[in-house]
Amino acid sequence: AQSVSQHNHHVILSEAASLELGCNYSYGGTVNLFWYVQYPGQHLQLLLKYFSGDPLVKGIKGFEAEFIKSKFSFNLRKPSVQWSDTAEYFCAVNQAGTALIFGKGTTLSVSS
Amino acid sequence: GAGVSQSPSNKVTEKGKDVELRCDPISGHTALYWYRQRLGQGLEFLIYFQGNSAPDKSGLPSDRFSAERTGESVSTLTIQRTQQEDSAVYLCASSSPRGAYNEQFFGPGTRLTVL
Repeated sequence: AQSVSQHNHHVILSEAASLELGCNYSYGGTVNLFWYVQYPGQHLQLLLKYFSGDPLVKGIKGFEAEFIKSKFSFNLRKPSVQWSDTAEYFCAVNQAGTALIFGKGTTLSVSS
Repeated sequence: GAGVSQSPSNKVTEKGKDVELRCDPISGHTALYWYRQRLGQGLEFLIYFQGNSAPDKSGLPSDRFSAERTGESVSTLTIQRTQQEDSAVYLCASSSPRGAYNEQFFGPGTRLTVL
């Protein structure tokens, strides 16, 4: 069955620290990959997405993610986090025209 | 334009009662999805509507759950005889499937609490 695994349930960082959140998926065929973010009290927003082409994708607010097909991974990175990055982060996968399969999410807490 | 809207934002109900949750997708979006998020869990797919095609109901957890959509507009998710395990945030998303790319835009959700 298709699945998405996010290895870190809760990550705590100080401002300016570097961030990497792991995401692995189990999904046959061509996939679309997404990272969504949910800030406290707000609804889910798209952070970045990969459909094809350059496996290193850049999103909003300085985030980037790298698709490594051989590892079935799509890890999210940011070189220097800010307090405002405190949020819950969800990795998701789908094939064109189908529902998203989400990981369980990673809560990021950034202390100032 | 306006994003995806959902109502009510919060719903508290007693076990055994029926509830209806509403979703207004972004105008022009032909695809509409329902998901739910239980505490400490990721989002679980429930049902998917695409234009006039038969909906994909493969994610509905039981026959107490049903959903309808009028054309390419409003959708209603109905939960009959609610149980405590139905307590969750119910999220609606819509997308415009142009080509292979269907970024889904999410609404704010309805938080359902079954007492």
